[in-house]
Amino acid sequence: DAGVTQSPTHLIKTRGQQVTLRCSPKSGHDTVSWYQQALGQGPQFIFQYYEEEERQRGNFPDRFSGHQFPNYSSELNVNALLLGDSALYLCASSLLGGSSYNEQFFGPGTRLTVL
Amino acid sequence: DQQVKQNSPSLSVQEGRISILNCDYTNSMFDYFLWYKKYPAEGPTFLISISSIKDKNEDGRFTVFLNKSAKHLSLHIVPSQPGDSAVYFCAASADSGGSNYKLTFGKGTLLTVNP
Repeated sequence: DAGVTQSPTHLIKTRGQQVTLRCSPKSGHDTVSWYQQALGQGPQFIFQYYEEEERQRGNFPDRFSGHQFPNYSSELNVNALLLGDSALYLCASSLLGGSSYNEQFFGPGTRLTVL
Repeated sequence: DQQVKQNSPSLSVQEGRISILNCDYTNSMFDYFLWYKKYPAEGPTFLISISSIKDKNEDGRFTVFLNKSAKHLSLHIVPSQPGDSAVYFCAASADSGGSNYKLTFGKGTLLTVNP
């Protein structure tokens, strides 16, 4: 049973560019959340997708956008990259209404470096 | 404004002894608390959780204690093993009418268990 997978593993971009990160949820899961983890910090919630719609959003600017596909996989897009966007981006999947309350399974993350 | 605080960036213990990791929170709306463990180059892994209606939850070597009046929780690991060496994140969730809503994380505590 494959867990949460993310691609790419590492990415280097320059300021002003755009980036797309991808996530495939754990088998049987229907909800995908994205988190940003800056160096020395805990993960910060960006947004969550369920049934192809953004269900909840954290305190991130509109430069951060997402999408969920019918197969439940998801993309995170960041436009007009800033140096401060350099971080580990984590995807977490879960089953809405599952018996394990709030248990989210995390992928290994994508390390984004903005130069 | 950090709503979940882990004031100890690091902790070092001897193998076989008890490890105690602490976490404080400020948001009284939080009603579910989780601990995640993270190894380098991997995503956070769920360890144990506790609902606000309880004050203790135990799973093998891991026990979480919740003191609602003090807005404090702690994770006890007994006995500690070298394989427990990792970063431990405390996370909290507020009941928004459904499960799997956003998690708010602390900055983490690096636990080192020495043989």
